[in-house]
Amino acid sequence: QKEVEQNSGPLSVPEGAIASLNCTYSDRGSQSFFWYRQYSGKSPELIMSIYSNGDKEDGRFTAQLNKASQYVSLLIRDSQPSDSATYLCAVNVAGNTPLVFGKGTRLSVIA
Amino acid sequence: EAGVVQSPRYKIIEKKQPVAFWCNPISGHNTLYWYLQNLGQGPELLIRYENEEAVDDSQLPKDRFSAERLKGVDSTLKIQPAELGDSAVYLCASSETGLTEAFFGQGTRLTVV
Repeated sequence: QKEVEQNSGPLSVPEGAIASLNCTYSDRGSQSFFWYRQYSGKSPELIMSIYSNGDKEDGRFTAQLNKASQYVSLLIRDSQPSDSATYLCAVNVAGNTPLVFGKGTRLSVIA
Repeated sequence: EAGVVQSPRYKIIEKKQPVAFWCNPISGHNTLYWYLQNLGQGPELLIRYENEEAVDDSQLPKDRFSAERLKGVDSTLKIQPAELGDSAVYLCASSETGLTEAFFGQGTRLTVV
């Protein structure tokens, strides 16, 4: 059973701070890694994808992948109250396996 | 470009009744997923299609759930008969391939009473 683990939170950070969200996965052969944001009552929205070790930056978001340690993280700089949502980590081992999601981490940015 | 389209958005049915959900993926996307999401949980895979072939349906309760993807485009997920425990959000997603980004539709919120 392939597993994706996330701390359910809630993670509370003050406005303007850096929010750090972490995700670990069980299958060492995993190839594709994604972060989704889900507002209450809405469907998941893709915000970042990463496929190789290292950092990938997109605006205020940075995804970090460490395949040796089997974790992927998401940093949100200058956090805003509008960033308050549940963040889902998703992992795919190979093209012939399904995309597996963690349970999500609830982030609360306090103004 | 249109995103993934699902209908209906909401459905309330009595237990033991049938229900069907429809999904139109993004044009050109070969991979189509149906996920179930309960409150406070991540999406859980029900079935995955590569074109018209169901390649991963081990989590689909086949005694009451069925799905099809005719011509490798639109897909329908059916429940018959529905049970109280089926109340959840049913999400459809599509991607170009099994390794690339998946995009979700708006979901169908099912309430079984």
